[in-house]
Amino acid sequence: GAVVSQHPSRVICKSGTSVKIECRSLDFQATTMFWYRQFPKQSLMLMATSNEGSKATYEQGVEKDKFLINHASLTLSTLTVTSAHPEDSSFYICSARDNVGGAHGYTFGSGTRLTVV
Amino acid sequence: DAKTTQPNSMESNEEEPVHLPCNHSTISGTDYIHWYRQLPSQGPEYVIHGLTSNVNNRMASLAIAEDRKSSTLILHRATLRDAAVYYCILRDRNAGNMLTFGGGTRLMVKP
Repeated sequence: GAVVSQHPSRVICKSGTSVKIECRSLDFQATTMFWYRQFPKQSLMLMATSNEGSKATYEQGVEKDKFLINHASLTLSTLTVTSAHPEDSSFYICSARDNVGGAHGYTFGSGTRLTVV
Repeated sequence: DAKTTQPNSMESNEEEPVHLPCNHSTISGTDYIHWYRQLPSQGPEYVIHGLTSNVNNRMASLAIAEDRKSSTLILHRATLRDAAVYYCILRDRNAGNMLTFGGGTRLMVKP
């Protein structure tokens, strides 16, 4: 079945630095990928929709200059958290729409736990 | 996408069936009912989906009410590995592509 690889699985960074998270579709092409954020004991919140070859679409309240999304190929989307602060500490999860796999077609990465110290 | 309502948590004994309910009274005719689950510290994984008819797969069964205003995810024999948060999500097949997650049901399985 469809596999989405997310890397790194865990990262600790200092306040003020930037962190890049990669999301790859391993065996299918994904023109659209989605980035979610999940705080402890809460549900997933959609941050942005990443479109290959064009600008990402951000949800209301998500700063596009802080969360940079690049989707330069059909198999890779990256999320860069710029000038990270402790309040950005969260579990970040990507998802890709697998147009081959049938109507349900959403495959998720295993998530990246970001801790900003 | 229409909203879903699920209990915050449920408990089950190992080896017993589990019925996880979901209410979606404002469902539209083009909404698919999707179920995903999220194990601790993992991304969500697909469980099952349906439109009108009941569905079965190797993981679970989905029973959809005749009026489609509710559905039930059935795990036939719960194992400790089934302990997770289960999300019932409606997705309009004609609308945008993202999945919108609600609160889900945290399933606890007792040995």
